[in-house]
Amino acid sequence: RKEVEQDPGPFNVPEGATVAFNCTYSNSASQSFFWYRQDCRKEPKLLMSVYSSGNEDGRFTAQLNRASQYISLLIRDSKLSDSATYLCVVNKADKLIFGTGTRLQVFP
Amino acid sequence: DTAVSQTPKYLVTQMGNDKSIKCEQNLGHDTMYWYKQDSKKFLKIMFSYNNKELIINETVPNRFSPKSPDKAHLNLHINSLELGDSAVYFCASSQNIRGGLIQETQYFGPGTRLLVL
Repeated sequence: RKEVEQDPGPFNVPEGATVAFNCTYSNSASQSFFWYRQDCRKEPKLLMSVYSSGNEDGRFTAQLNRASQYISLLIRDSKLSDSATYLCVVNKADKLIFGTGTRLQVFP
Repeated sequence: DTAVSQTPKYLVTQMGNDKSIKCEQNLGHDTMYWYKQDSKKFLKIMFSYNNKELIINETVPNRFSPKSPDKAHLNLHINSLELGDSAVYFCASSQNIRGGLIQETQYFGPGTRLLVL
C-alpha cells in the first residue's frame, strides 16, 4: 500500500463548479498534513496546511479525519487558473511524503 | 528575488558522466532538501541537511553525494550517470524541523530537468 494515496484524475470540471479531492495516508503517527499545488513543469507550492478542526482559505476548504486517515480538499467556484495537480502531503517523522497528485482541469 | 534557486535548469548529458546541480536559498532557512520527481510525477525525498549537517539520507545510490558548504547552499553531485537518473530534481528549504516533526512550509526551487542519454 502506498503511504499517501490519491486518485490521479484527471478531474475535468467547468468554471464555477465545486470539486473535491480525497487522499488517504497509511502512517497513523503522522502529525502534519498539507495540500501543495504543482503547475505543469513548475515546482510544488504550498496551497494550505490541514488542521484537525478543518480550515478554509477563500474558495478552498481542507478537512482531516484522523480516525479514517483521510484528508480532503474542496474547491468552490472553480477558476480556469485552478487547473493544476494537487498534491496531498503527510509527514513521516522528519520527512514529507508526497502523493502522486490529482490533476484538475477547469474548462470555460 | 528568487527565494530558492537552482542551476542549471536543464542538463542533458551522456551515461557515465559526472554532473553537479547547485542550489541556493536566500530565505535564511536552516534546512534544505533534495527531491527527485520521476516520469510518473512521483516526488520523493533524497537528502536533507540542517545547518550543514546531514539528517535525512534515503535509500539513494552512493553515486549521489550532497554537499552543503553553508546553510544557504546545498549542492548535489552525481557520479557515473545512468539512464534511470533522468528526472526533475527539486531543491527545497524550510525554516526548521522542530522536535523531529516537520512544521514549516517547504519552499521549492524551480527544478533541474536532467536527461541522461
